Amino acid sequence: DADVTQTPRNRITKTGKRIMLECSQTKGHDRMYWYRQDPGLGLQLIYYSFDVKDINKGEISDGYSVSRQAQAKFSLSLESAIPNQTALYFCATSSSSGYSGTDTQYFGPGTRLTVL
Amino acid sequence: AQSVTQPDIHITVSEGASLELRCNYSYGATPYLFWYVQSPGQGLQLLLKYFSGDTLVQGIKGFEAEFKRSQSSFNLRKPSVHWSDAAEYFCAVVTVGTGRRALTFGSGTRLQVQP
Repeated sequence: DADVTQTPRNRITKTGKRIMLECSQTKGHDRMYWYRQDPGLGLQLIYYSFDVKDINKGEISDGYSVSRQAQAKFSLSLESAIPNQTALYFCATSSSSGYSGTDTQYFGPGTRLTVL
Repeated sequence: AQSVTQPDIHITVSEGASLELRCNYSYGATPYLFWYVQSPGQGLQLLLKYFSGDTLVQGIKGFEAEFKRSQSSFNLRKPSVHWSDAAEYFCAVVTVGTGRRALTFGSGTRLQVQP
């Protein structure tokens, strides 16, 4: 079984709808991240969480919200989806190490979201 | 602000040829640098990382990268490319904020391998 899973893998929705993307991990990591990938732009950080009660905005958090339900689960919500949120969304996890900054991130397979 | 530049959007090489993918970073302190690979329809897989020490780092799948502080570069190399190496490659640097850490990615280089 994959260590980092994302559901759904593909989703098509309409403008104005509320959408939730879910991420689960079995790696036992304390840190989790949400990124979006657009062609030619690489990955941009939306939100990150360093533990259940620690959630931080990334570069492009507007229009998104997150929930860290447990150490192993981190959900991303689009309260009112718009077409320019059409993208590939990745969840990632990492473990805090004794020397902060060197933890390696492990990525899920991605969720392809299309907003019509 | 920290940034990562991958100058080549798309590279095509012949199978068996050598490969070098360029990565330049802008960062005030010692960077922590990563190379990830994304195969079609897949998530990102870590190839290698540099934190400190030996500036030539070895990774998986026969890849290596060299950190050159004087050139602010962390180029990825492979001596002989295989068809299965066709993918998109991302360079990333850890961004140091208020004690937090998050990856900043380059825009990626898509590698095509010709038979």
